[in-house]
This record gives sequence, C-alpha cells and structure tokens, in this order.
Amino acid sequence: SYELTQPLSVSVALGQTARITCGGNNIASKDVHWLQQKPGQAPVLVIYRDTNRPSGIPERFSGSNSGNTATLTISRAQVEDEGDYYCQVWDSNTGVFGGGTKLTVL
Amino acid sequence: EVQLVESGGGLVPAGGSLRLSCEASEFTFSDYTMNWVRQAPGKGLEWVSYISSSSGTIYYADSVKGRFTISRDNAKKSLYLQINSLRAEDTAVYYCARGGGSTVTGWFDPWGQGTLVTVSS
Repeated sequence: SYELTQPLSVSVALGQTARITCGGNNIASKDVHWLQQKPGQAPVLVIYRDTNRPSGIPERFSGSNSGNTATLTISRAQVEDEGDYYCQVWDSNTGVFGGGTKLTVL
Repeated sequence: EVQLVESGGGLVPAGGSLRLSCEASEFTFSDYTMNWVRQAPGKGLEWVSYISSSSGTIYYADSVKGRFTISRDNAKKSLYLQINSLRAEDTAVYYCARGGGSTVTGWFDPWGQGTLVTVSS
C-alpha cells in the first residue's frame, strides 16, 4: 500500500517560514491535498491539488510537489497557524493520509 | 454556509452495530461525492470509505471492508455508514467529508464536526 511520510513535528519562529514535507514514491504524479487540524476541531482544507488555496485560506499558505516530496509552506507564520497538518492523496481508489505534523510557532 | 452534521455515535459493545448519519445543507448534495474519515483518540486521520454522487461507485479501506457499508439518500441529503462487528480498534471520531473535484482523486472539504464511536471490550 502507498505510504506518506511526514515529520512528527516542526517548529518555526513567529513571522518566519515553516515548511512541512510529505514524502511518497513518485508523489509528483499524484494530486496532494493538505489539511490543518486544531485541537478539538475538525480538519480544514488549506491546499488542494498541490498548489491551490481554497477561498478564505490566507495567502501565506502555499504548496509544491516534485519528485518524491510535496511541501506545504507557511510564510510569516502566526500563532494561529499552530496545529496538526496532514497531507493526503489517492492511490488505487484508496484515500491515504500522512501521519501528521505538529506545527509549533515559537 | 455549507454544513455537514454527523450523528449516531455512542458507546457500543464489541461485536455490536451502529448506523452513523451525516446530514448536508446549503449545497446540492446529489452533485458531490462523499467520504467517511475516522480518527482514533490521539491518532491521525484514516480514510474509511468513498461513495460517488449516484452511489454507483463505492470504495472501502481494507481495515473495514466486509464490516462497514456506506450509502446515501440524495432526496434526504444524507450520507450513512452502517458499522457491524465492531472492534476495539474502531473506536474513533467519525467524520463525513464532501469530495472536491470531479474525480475520485479529489480533496475533502468541508468536514462535519464528527461523531464519537466508542467500542467497549
């Protein structure tokens, strides 16, 4: 089965740039979507199809996908960006999530 | 505002059954694919099942195949998940999520608030 690998945690200083990676075999051939989840809340979509931002998501959220790694970039990180982030793809008609990355803004 | 509201969770003995529901509002439910995703306490997200807009295509995670049944009633704008032969490892918050895009490779947006299923052993 297809696996997505994310770092367990990422820390970033307030106002700096955070990058969260999502590794998978030839992931560039797939559409990667990113979700943000805050404690006690349902997940929220922040990036779809590698690079697209849903309406209402701040411009500081961006995505890229190349080779074996997709990346969610959060520029000018804010305290409210803290939470868990999950990448997601489809493989052989099966939804696949990464294990999640906890983002801490220092 | 597009909204999804799950219900039907609860405390169930191992081997028991439950039927979860997800009621949609403020969008044309029959135009969209739908999914169930679960999250065990303190754990990550796990995709459970997919259903196409017309119910013609259905997929399940291997971990639930043969025990869970997804269905929908477009007239009632509702999605369902019948869960049988419950196991301790099925304990989780179950979310329904609307599918985005025109294919099965779409994204999940939005999500409901979730309903908690607890299986007692």
